[in-house]
Amino acid sequence: GAVVSQHPSWVICKSGTSVKIECRSLDFQATTMFWYRQFPKQSLMLMATSNEGSKATYEQGVEKDKFLINHASLTLSTLTVTSAHPEDSSFYICSASSGLAGGGGSDTQYFGPGTRLTVL
Amino acid sequence: AQKITQTQPGMFVQEKEAVTLDCTYDTSDQSYGLFWYKQPSSGEMIFLIYQGSYDEQNATEGRYSLNFQKARKSANLVISASQLGDSAMYFCAMSDSGAGSYQLTFGKGTKLSVIP
Repeated sequence: GAVVSQHPSWVICKSGTSVKIECRSLDFQATTMFWYRQFPKQSLMLMATSNEGSKATYEQGVEKDKFLINHASLTLSTLTVTSAHPEDSSFYICSASSGLAGGGGSDTQYFGPGTRLTVL
Repeated sequence: AQKITQTQPGMFVQEKEAVTLDCTYDTSDQSYGLFWYKQPSSGEMIFLIYQGSYDEQNATEGRYSLNFQKARKSANLVISASQLGDSAMYFCAMSDSGAGSYQLTFGKGTKLSVIP
């Protein structure tokens, strides 16, 4: 149990276009989903916390108008990178809290496989 | 503020041997969770093991065990009988229940290489 999918797994786009990334919890309901960004050989950096039915909470330094997050249901959150530029190229990874569904503690986060974004 | 420290940027272990990956943490919370995740080259973060701050027994999951020493604020991961497929980045993380949404604070990671 506790499976999270993410789509697409990789995307290449031109500068100025918008890209939408979907994160789905497949076998559990997730009231909270998280979006991270990871640069090569670095740790994960939390971008925002997404709660179903409410506005996302963004970390300091993350532009909420550039990284739009929508948590439309208990199984789906989306991240839209608007007007993407080459500096937005990165590995984006989402996670979801499952409660006790996955066997960890109630605060265990289960991660999607990630999306590699390249902006030309 | 919470902090996770992983002092080993890289580790090597012989196949079939055991290896310990170090993790120390700092928090003023009484209730917290400690996690280990594995990230292979594909990028996916795989949940390995969880230890609650009030758990008296060390957590174990198959070949993974967590050596939890609360007084020393350490949560080392022990992998027994290493396999080639264990080669990956390993991240220690702590949950911040004080934020209400259980955000995770990650360490910088340890790259484990298993030698045949």
